[in-house]
Formats: sequence, structure tokens, C-alpha cells
Amino acid sequence: EAGVAQSPRYKIIEKRQSVAFWCNPISGHATLYWYQQILGQGPKLLIQFQNNGVVDDSQLPKDRFSAERLKGVDSTLKIQPAKLEDSAVYLCASSPALRRTGGAGQPQHFGDGTRLSIL
Amino acid sequence: EDQVTQSPEALRLQEGESSSLNCSYTVSGLRGLFWYRQDPGKGPEFLFTLYSAGEEKEKERLKATLTKKESFLHITAPKPEDSATYLCAVQASGTYKYIFGTGTRLKVLA
Repeated sequence: EAGVAQSPRYKIIEKRQSVAFWCNPISGHATLYWYQQILGQGPKLLIQFQNNGVVDDSQLPKDRFSAERLKGVDSTLKIQPAKLEDSAVYLCASSPALRRTGGAGQPQHFGDGTRLSIL
Repeated sequence: EDQVTQSPEALRLQEGESSSLNCSYTVSGLRGLFWYRQDPGKGPEFLFTLYSAGEEKEKERLKATLTKKESFLHITAPKPEDSATYLCAVQASGTYKYIFGTGTRLKVLA
């Protein structure tokens, strides 16, 4: 089974520039997540999709970050304009479809992330 | 507020020296608790899911246990290749969100 694919692996930009990251989840996984992981910290959820609908974007800085998952498969995360504090690893993860009531939690499967450095 | 705390932040062990990592959690109801291993430059790799108090899971030198307030990841006779950051995450009932701890950085010396 192919894992979660992310690109690029590394990106260096200057502050106020824009950047985009791409994610292709595991085939058949309806739920997709974008996380921000700052060095020495655990992943912090930015946005969560089920198919092409947003489930949770409460921690997404919407004045500069945007994300889409148009066909319910691939997703892109964009930052415009970037700030110094956006330097982090951006992780994409996927899991099988969420159940609305009850149901056991499903583990997420992660890609290797994009390491973003802002100069 | 749902919260996950991991301890210690960092741990150095000699090869063969067994120890335990702790993950304390506060949630209104637990849908699942997850352990991940993260190597430098890589994404977290799924290890275990635990659903209810008393449950245990094992894989090679790792054993995860769960109570109503915390989970332990026991490492028996660790080897240098077990060196990594170990992350704990919980998913609360009634929410789809996963909450991660800050991880324990484990270094096993040969």
C-alpha cells in the first residue's frame, strides 16, 4: 500500500512571499489532515477534511493560510504572505472515513512533511 | 479542555536498560489513544491504538498500556535503533480532532 505523498520536501522563501504544499493521501482514505509541527513540539492541527468538505479549520490562520481538496483526493495548503513564525514542518495525514456517532478512533497515517524555512 | 501531557521530555538509556514513557490525558470521553514513533526528518509512524482501560498492545520490544487517566509505553531491552521521538495522541468522543502531546525524545546508547 502506497503511503501519504507530500511535496516538496523542503522549501526556503523570504517573508511576505507565498508558498504551496501538495498532499496525496492513501488511496481510499476519505479524511485528510494538515498539521504544523514546530521544532520540539507535537503536531498541531490546521485543517481537517472529510472528502472535499471541511470538518475543522478552527486553528487555521485564515488571514494567511488556505487549503482545498477539490475532488476529495489531493489537497493543497497555501500560505500567503508568509511570516517568520511560519517556519515549521507541514505534515499531511489521512485516515479512513470518520463515523459521526460513536465508533472507534482510527489511526492517522502521515507523510514525511515539507520543511519550510522563512528568511 | 482536552489535554495531553508526555513525560519525560527526553530520556537517555543504555542499550538493554528497560524503561517507560508516560502519556497523561484529560478528555471528556476517549475515542482512542494512539502512539507514534517519529524519526528525524520523517513523519510520525503509527505504532498502537488503545481504546479502553486495561487494554495492552505489544510489538517487538514495545508494550503500550492504558488506564483511565494515562498510558505507558514500556520499552524492554532497548536497542540503539529504538532511538526516536515517541508521540502520544488522543481523540475524544464527540469530536474528530486528534490532540498530540509534545513527545518524548528517546536516545539509546550502545
